[in-house]
Amino acid sequence: EVQLVESGGGLVQPGGSLRLSCAASGFTFSSYSMNWVRQAPGKGLEWVSYISSSSSTIYYADSVKGRFTISRDNAKNSLYLQMNSLRAEDTAVYYCARIAGNPRPFDYWGQGTLVTVSS
Amino acid sequence: AIRMTQSPSSLSASTGDRVTITCRASQGISSYLAWYQQKPGKAPKLLIYAASTLQSGVPSRFSGSGSGTDFTLTISCLQSEDFATYYCQQYYSYLYTFGQGTKLEIK
Repeated sequence: EVQLVESGGGLVQPGGSLRLSCAASGFTFSSYSMNWVRQAPGKGLEWVSYISSSSSTIYYADSVKGRFTISRDNAKNSLYLQMNSLRAEDTAVYYCARIAGNPRPFDYWGQGTLVTVSS
Repeated sequence: AIRMTQSPSSLSASTGDRVTITCRASQGISSYLAWYQQKPGKAPKLLIYAASTLQSGVPSRFSGSGSGTDFTLTISCLQSEDFATYYCQQYYSYLYTFGQGTKLEIK
């Protein structure tokens, strides 16, 4: 069974940093591209970042470019999102999501982890 | 970035009704269009991809159509478990974008 489990969310002050993790199981993690998607409270879905299976290709939404860094460790079956210079508008539930090939949509999602940026 | 516009933003319907949600892309995306269902407090669930292909395990009352810039999601006979928020998403560009969502509520 495919499972994606996010962790690392919490309360952080504006300008602070946080590192999210996504632990994958039930599939060959190293064969799949991955993404982070976020959802502000009561709002819609916003794609944040993409990383290819080998980490050779990375993309970011303009709203986080230069502040967030996506990475992965295929030996540990884990995906990460380093978030720096956090702003109030980064407050959201952050989901990791798998892509089943390219071009394909996101076929499995984690349950999400809440990041709250507030003083 | 490609902009995705859904309509309506909200919709009231009754069990057994047929409903249609529309999604329009700001430029042509061929058939690289997916639909997701999201229930409160849960992660989105993939329903349809390639505009009209049903994801494994999704009931056949869900269907999708369209190509280029205009797409529709149809639920042929609403069940109680279908009341949720629906999002379209383009994956033509790696700068993936979602529609703003359509909240389907019980009348």
